[in-house]
Amino acid sequence: EVQLLESGGDLVQPGGSLRLSCAASGFAFSSNAMSWVRQAPGKGLEWVSAASPGGGTTYYADSVKGRFTISRDNSKNTLFLQMNSLRAEDTAVYYCAKDEEMLYYFDYWGQGTLVSVSS
Amino acid sequence: QSALTQPASVSGSPGQSITISCTGTSSDVGSYNLVSWYQQHPGKAPKLMIYEVIRRPSGVSNRFSGSKSGNTASLTISGIQAEDAADYYCCSYAGRSTFTYVVFGGGTKLTVL
Repeated sequence: EVQLLESGGDLVQPGGSLRLSCAASGFAFSSNAMSWVRQAPGKGLEWVSAASPGGGTTYYADSVKGRFTISRDNSKNTLFLQMNSLRAEDTAVYYCAKDEEMLYYFDYWGQGTLVSVSS
Repeated sequence: QSALTQPASVSGSPGQSITISCTGTSSDVGSYNLVSWYQQHPGKAPKLMIYEVIRRPSGVSNRFSGSKSGNTASLTISGIQAEDAADYYCCSYAGRSTFTYVVFGGGTKLTVL
């Protein structure tokens, strides 16, 4: 059974940093691209970032480019999202998702972790 | 403002069929057969319902079907049931040359009357 478990969400002040983690199990993690998708309170889904199976190729939404960094540790089946220079508009539930084919569609999702940016 | 346009809400009585539209552009929906649809119940994670425009993942009811014409994709739910009440999001691959990559619709709330 595929499982994705996010952690690391917290309340942080504007300008602060946070690192999210996503522990994966039940599939060949190192063979699959992975993405982060977020959802602001009461709003729709927004794709944030993706990493190739080996982590060497990454993509970012314009809204986070230069502030967020996606990475992965395939030896620990874990995906990360380093978030710097956080803004109020980054407040959202962040979902980790497994890409069936990088960027094409997301066949499994975690339960999400809440990031709140406020002073 | 979302990149793909969906109606904010649709409704229907049990047993009826409903269709949710998803309008993009020639740079996303119109260029690729890579439209997917996700169902999200309140407080839950999204669930893949349709991928590659028309394909259904294993375990998804055949009451759910997808289609596409030009820049508009559609999700049809036949014989809607109470448990189908949820938010539905369309999504499209948008290519790598435009640096957009993936776009979502704003979501459609399905109410089963």
